Amino acid sequence: GQNIDQPTEMTATEGAIVQINCTYQTSGFNGLFWYQQHAGEAPTFLSYNVLDGLEEKGRFSSFLSRSKGYSYLLLKELQMKDSASYLCAVLDSNYQLIWGAGTKLIIKP
Amino acid sequence: ETGVTQTPRHLVMGMTNKKSLKCEQHLGHNAMYWYKQSAKKPLELMFVYSLEERVENNSVPSRFSPECPNSSHLFLHLHTLQPEDSALYLCASSQEVSGSYNEQFFGPGTRLTVL
Repeated sequence: GQNIDQPTEMTATEGAIVQINCTYQTSGFNGLFWYQQHAGEAPTFLSYNVLDGLEEKGRFSSFLSRSKGYSYLLLKELQMKDSASYLCAVLDSNYQLIWGAGTKLIIKP
Repeated sequence: ETGVTQTPRHLVMGMTNKKSLKCEQHLGHNAMYWYKQSAKKPLELMFVYSLEERVENNSVPSRFSPECPNSSHLFLHLHTLQPEDSALYLCASSQEVSGSYNEQFFGPGTRLTVL
């Protein structure tokens, strides 16, 4: 079966750095997405990785290792507004998105 | 604002009611999706439409009935629902159904409670 694993919840301090991991086992791979979802709001796109390596976009970076079936989202200089759920999703061989259950990130002052 | 709107934002209904959820996208996309989001569970894909044709139906109970009258509008008709159907229902759209970098744009969702 297809499976995406990510931690259920994480806590970090304002101004710090946090890394949210995602491991996947899917039938084929056509890219990995990270989405951010604030409570009661729509998920919004953060990043897309299809090749191995690190993609940096401001305070957020996303890393992919296809051989290990592993990705992480790195958030730097955390702000209170970064409190949200972070969803990892993989595009499988049929171009269907397989979703993780999301990681709820709590930022404390 | 993602360019995808959903109404209503909240809905409470009894098990014998009939109601409809509406989704509209203003992005010129060809594909639209219905997802169910329950607490601490992955997003569940319910239906996929490409250019108004249904291309995916992931074994969804018949009490959920989708309708796509044109590429900008998507409905989810609900009847005789069960309490376990209470969840957040998300609509999304993308440029196409298949292809890499197929970023999906989501609406804010309808929070459904079935009593």
